[in-house]
Amino acid sequence: EVQLVQSGPEVKKPGESLRISCKASGYSFSTSWIAWVRQMPGKGPEWMGIVYPGDSDVRYSPSFQGHVTISVDKSTTTAFLQWNSLRISDSATYYCAKLFASYYDSCGQGTLVTVSS
Amino acid sequence: QSVLTQPPSVSAAPGQEVTISCSGTSSNIGTNFVSWYQQLPLTAPKLLIYENKKRRSWVPDRISASKSGTSATLAITGLQAGDEAIYYCATWDSSLSVPGPFGGGTKLTVL
Repeated sequence: EVQLVQSGPEVKKPGESLRISCKASGYSFSTSWIAWVRQMPGKGPEWMGIVYPGDSDVRYSPSFQGHVTISVDKSTTTAFLQWNSLRISDSATYYCAKLFASYYDSCGQGTLVTVSS
Repeated sequence: QSVLTQPPSVSAAPGQEVTISCSGTSSNIGTNFVSWYQQLPLTAPKLLIYENKKRRSWVPDRISASKSGTSATLAITGLQAGDEAIYYCATWDSSLSVPGPFGGGTKLTVL
């Protein structure tokens, strides 16, 4: 069974750094793309970037390029989403999702990030 | 404003049928597969339909989808209380091999 288990909720101040994680199991981690998706309150999801664990190829949505960093650790089958300097507007729920062909076939439970001064 | 346009809300009584539309353009829906996701309150989105009309194994056959030109439609017949959720369409960007946009979501209310 595919499982994506994300790290817990975070409360941060503007300007702080943060890394959230997504632990994958139940499938071949190295050969499936993983996506990070943002969902702001009351809004539709937005894809932020995708990573191929096999060779760490990362592709960012233009909307998020330069503001976040996506990485993986194959030894622990974990994907990461990182900010160096959070903004209040980064407050949202973040999902990792496994991609299969043209769709997201499994999703983590979500990580709520709150950025407040 | 989302690139894919969905009605904000639809509603119907139990047992009735609803359809949810997803309108795009020739560069997104027109040339790529559409998938549909169901998001129950306080949960992650869950894949319902992929490649325009294929149902996931857990999805009953009273839920169906289609695509024509630059639009896609999700149909749910025999509405049940458990169908109350937000439904999102999404597509793919085959030219860049990256995910495409999501719709803004449609809140289905079972009256």
